[in-house]
This record gives sequence, structure tokens and C-alpha cells, in this order.
Amino acid sequence: EIVMTQSPAMLSVSPGERATLSCRASQSVSSNLAWYQQKPGQAPRLLIYGASARASGIPARFSGSGSGTDFTLTISSLQSEDFAVYYCQQYHNWPPFSFGQGTRLEIK
Amino acid sequence: EVQLVESGGGLVQTGRSLRLSCTASGFTFGDYAMSWVRQAPGKGLEWVAFIRNKTYGGTTEYAASVKGRFTISRDDSKSIAYLQMNSLKTEDTAVYYCTREDIEVVPGAVSGQYYFYYYMDVWGKGTTVTVSS
Repeated sequence: EIVMTQSPAMLSVSPGERATLSCRASQSVSSNLAWYQQKPGQAPRLLIYGASARASGIPARFSGSGSGTDFTLTISSLQSEDFAVYYCQQYHNWPPFSFGQGTRLEIK
Repeated sequence: EVQLVESGGGLVQTGRSLRLSCTASGFTFGDYAMSWVRQAPGKGLEWVAFIRNKTYGGTTEYAASVKGRFTISRDDSKSIAYLQMNSLKTEDTAVYYCTREDIEVVPGAVSGQYYFYYYMDVWGKGTTVTVSS
């Protein structure tokens, strides 16, 4: 089973600044990695798939990069609506589909 | 509008059963694989079960934590996915989300070989299951 590890667990960033979230896989997942955003009381929403492709309707300030075992989600200029929990998930070697434990992005 | 609506959650005692439903609209349900993902209170996301569409055999996969107790199924004529949950445990308490799986098919190195990569592109709002002893 592939284990996904996200860092940091919590990140405090000021609006307008850049946020960088990391995700590491215990073995290579090629580019088969997705990022999801979850706001309090809401369902997760797909942001990025294929490690770097933005899902439909996702603003350009969200970008994904990486391949193999190390991945990054970058939010270039944080808006108030971006403060949420972010999860990475691998879909390369499954079952099971495995998620990271999440990074909580908070307002500084 | 593409939409998934879960129903069937509730309060149930340990050892009992519950069936969740996921009603899809706004897309051709039979063209897609589907999954269930759960989230225990204050915790992260855990994939639970997956069902392929009929084109790829309609076969199923399960997380180790629910294998043998949960069954995922689908009724393409009604655009509904189900999750039958038996022998429920307190640790099954969670919000259960239904997800649509988009697919990327990648040719392998050998002729006629293909790899299938699924990711969860649409999520329902979830239904809450509480298992009490």
C-alpha cells in the first residue's frame, strides 16, 4: 500500500501571499496524483489531477507540480476563499486509493 | 448540472446494517466508475469502495477495513450507486461521500495492454452514518 505524507500539517499565510503545500508518496506514483480542497462543512472538491492539470473551473492561481514521489501544490496569491484543508491522493497503484492526512491552510 | 446526492445515512447500533444510495444526475451514469469515500469526525479522507462501469466489467474493489462487510453496487437504469453496509462497527461512524471517477487510459508497453487511472472528479455533499453501541 502506498502511504501519502503531507507537510506541513498546518500552514499560516497572509492573504495575497504564496502558499506551497507538499505531498510525498512512499513509492513512485508517476504523475497519478490529485489534489482536493475541503472547506468546513463541505465536500472535497477536485483541484488538480495528473499532478499538474487543473480541474474544470479551478482558478489559475492553483498549480500543481512534481512526479514520482514528490509533489507540490502552489497557490500563487491567496484569496480569503482559499483557506481550507488540502488533501493529496494517489491513484497509480490501487486498491487502495490513498490520501494524505491533509494540510490545513490558515489565515495569518 | 452534474450532481451526486447521497441518502440513507442515520443512527444505527453496532452489528446492524444500513444501505446508502447515491443518485446521479447531469451526466450519463453508466459511462463512469463510482466510489464511496468516508470521513470520520475530525479526521481525513478514507476511500471505501469502487465499482467499474459495465464497459470494464462492473467489477468492484474494497478497502481492507470494510472488505467482507460492505458491498458496492449500481443500477444504471436508475442512475444510482449503492453501498450496503453490514456488521457495522463504531469505527464506521463517518460522513460518507459518493464520488464519480473520471478515467485516463494509458497504453502499456505490450500490445493490447492498458493501464486505467481513475480520479474522483465529482463529489456529493455526503450522508452521515453514526454507529452506536
